[in-house]
Amino acid sequence: DAKTTQPPSMDCAEGRAANLPCNHSTISGNEYVYWYRQIHSQGPQYIIHGLKNNETNEMASLIITEDRKSSTLILPHATLRDTAVYYCIVRVLYNNNDMRFGAGTRLTVKP
Amino acid sequence: DTGVSQDPRHKITKRGQNVTFRCDPISEHNRLYWYRQTLGQGPEFLTYFQNEAQLEKSRLLSDRFSAERPKGSFSTLEIQRTEQGDSAMYLCASSLEGYGTQYFGPGTRLLVL
Repeated sequence: DAKTTQPPSMDCAEGRAANLPCNHSTISGNEYVYWYRQIHSQGPQYIIHGLKNNETNEMASLIITEDRKSSTLILPHATLRDTAVYYCIVRVLYNNNDMRFGAGTRLTVKP
Repeated sequence: DTGVSQDPRHKITKRGQNVTFRCDPISEHNRLYWYRQTLGQGPEFLTYFQNEAQLEKSRLLSDRFSAERPKGSFSTLEIQRTEQGDSAMYLCASSLEGYGTQYFGPGTRLLVL
């Protein structure tokens, strides 16, 4: 699975959009981009995943660049409850083996 | 909501004791995974099952660790002769074969004194 690079920490004002970047320059054509988050002392929570088209669900939007070497997770209206560590992972969709978590980005939403 | 559940949520034990954790996956999921997470790090893979079969083990899974999933439903992770370095959060996840999204439980936090 391709390696990802994320900033260690970011701040966001409550009510504003939080844009979390992820670089995955060695991504392969059959690898998907997954995002999870982990609120303090809880298990990781699945957010969204995509291959090359932009994706949106009730939690977030995922924007993947045309060359697929980077992506951005967007939380459109961040709340204090969105404070968490966000993990970007790239993997083959039907590879049902382990998820390779990095250190992630610690997002702090401030009032 | 029948998500992944883990029991206990917290465990404190003395060095040298054995501990066992339980994971109940989402009911229709036939794949089950165990991860370990130490402070400030992302989760690290330990092992996974497809139904009853344990298909992969990480190098992190020393011979003091054993995992079972006897009927293809719940799973147990046992640590024998615990060491202080075993102190961590132990996470369980499950997924449906053929679909990659893994759903995690709340974890069991182990402290070895």
